[in-house]
Amino acid sequence: DAEITQSPRHKITETGRQVTLACHQTWNHNNMFWYRQDLGHGLRLIHYSYGVHDTNKGEVSDGYSVSRSNTEDLPLTLESAASSQTSVYFCASSEREENTEAFFGQGTRLTVV
Amino acid sequence: QKEVEQDPGPLSVPEGAIVSLNCTYSNSAFQYFMWYRQYSRKGPELLMYTYSSGNKEDGRFTAQVDKSSKYISLFIRDSQPSDSATYLCAMNRDDKIIFGKGTRLHILP
Repeated sequence: DAEITQSPRHKITETGRQVTLACHQTWNHNNMFWYRQDLGHGLRLIHYSYGVHDTNKGEVSDGYSVSRSNTEDLPLTLESAASSQTSVYFCASSEREENTEAFFGQGTRLTVV
Repeated sequence: QKEVEQDPGPLSVPEGAIVSLNCTYSNSAFQYFMWYRQYSRKGPELLMYTYSSGNKEDGRFTAQVDKSSKYISLFIRDSQPSDSATYLCAMNRDDKIIFGKGTRLHILP
């Protein structure tokens, strides 16, 4: 069965370190998204991609970057982790033509100490 | 003003009751209106989506869209303890999906 997987599921890192969260999908979807979920804010879009070599900034992109070298993967990099980036991160993918259903990963719980 | 507004709750109702969850939005460009359910420590999953004003039914769930009022609703009939979760409304524009903050729902046995 097709799926979308995130790794690691949990991570603790120190302030200032570079961190990369992995996202891999086997749906062969063109659209991929990274969200962060925080109490009181809901799901907020960080970055998104409509295809290979395409990346776009979302509403909370400062301090984050993504790259899309193939269809299956969209890694999210925190350039210099800050305590404000402690959150649960969700990756999602969807079809290009009908963007009505996004399939989400299980999430990565990141703690920056 | 946020594009999508949703009361975070929590909302507690007895088992068997009808649940009404609502969102308002400000952007007329939204085309599709979706409801996602998220269990604790899991990713959201799509419940149903609608394109136009009106009602759409799927089992115990009914989604309602009123574009003139920029208001959407999700009704759950015969609510069950297994319906306890966070429900997020979502809308899409320009191939992006914009989510509400989610409403935490507790169904009391």
